[in-house]
Amino acid sequence: DIQMTQSPSSLSASVGDRVTITCRASQGIRNDLGWYQQKPGKAPKRLIYITSTLQSGVPSRFSGSGSGTEFTLTISSLQPEDFATYYCLQHNVYPYTFGQGTKLEIK
Amino acid sequence: QVQLVESGGGVVQPGRSLRLSCAASGFTFSSYAMNWVRQAPGKGLEWVAVISYDGSDKYYADSVKGRFTVSRDNSKNTQYLQMNSLRAEDTAVYYCARETTLDNWGQGTLVTVSS
Repeated sequence: DIQMTQSPSSLSASVGDRVTITCRASQGIRNDLGWYQQKPGKAPKRLIYITSTLQSGVPSRFSGSGSGTEFTLTISSLQPEDFATYYCLQHNVYPYTFGQGTKLEIK
Repeated sequence: QVQLVESGGGVVQPGRSLRLSCAASGFTFSSYAMNWVRQAPGKGLEWVAVISYDGSDKYYADSVKGRFTVSRDNSKNTQYLQMNSLRAEDTAVYYCARETTLDNWGQGTLVTVSS
């Protein structure tokens, strides 16, 4: 199975900050990676697919990059509604695997 | 708009069975693969299973292989997750998600396995 190592596991930041979350795959997954945001008590919401394509309706401050085994999610200027938990997902090969999650908290 | 509604969760004793449903609307259900994903209380997301658009292909996480079965009824726009031999560690919110890239998710249904 492909292991997805996500870092950091938690992050404290302020409104307006630029933050980056990283996922590393244990083997190449081409660009078959998505990023999801989850708020407490809610279902995950897809932000980015195929590494860098922004889901319709998602603000442009979110961006994704990478290929092969290393991927990043960047939020260019944090807004209050961005404080949540973020997960990466590889959908290159079954079984699909998620990163462990990054909890983004207000400093 | 795409809507996915899970149902069938509840409290069940270890070793017993439960069947979850995911009713879909707002899109051509028979054209899309469908997934199940779960989240144990306070934990991360775990992909569980996928079924192809026509039901001909199915894949499972190792943790549920041999115990869970995914199926679908395209005439009813519904997918199912039959869960047998349930264990305490199967306690989770179960989500259905559309398409191989999991683009849309339901709100989830809670399964609690406890004596």
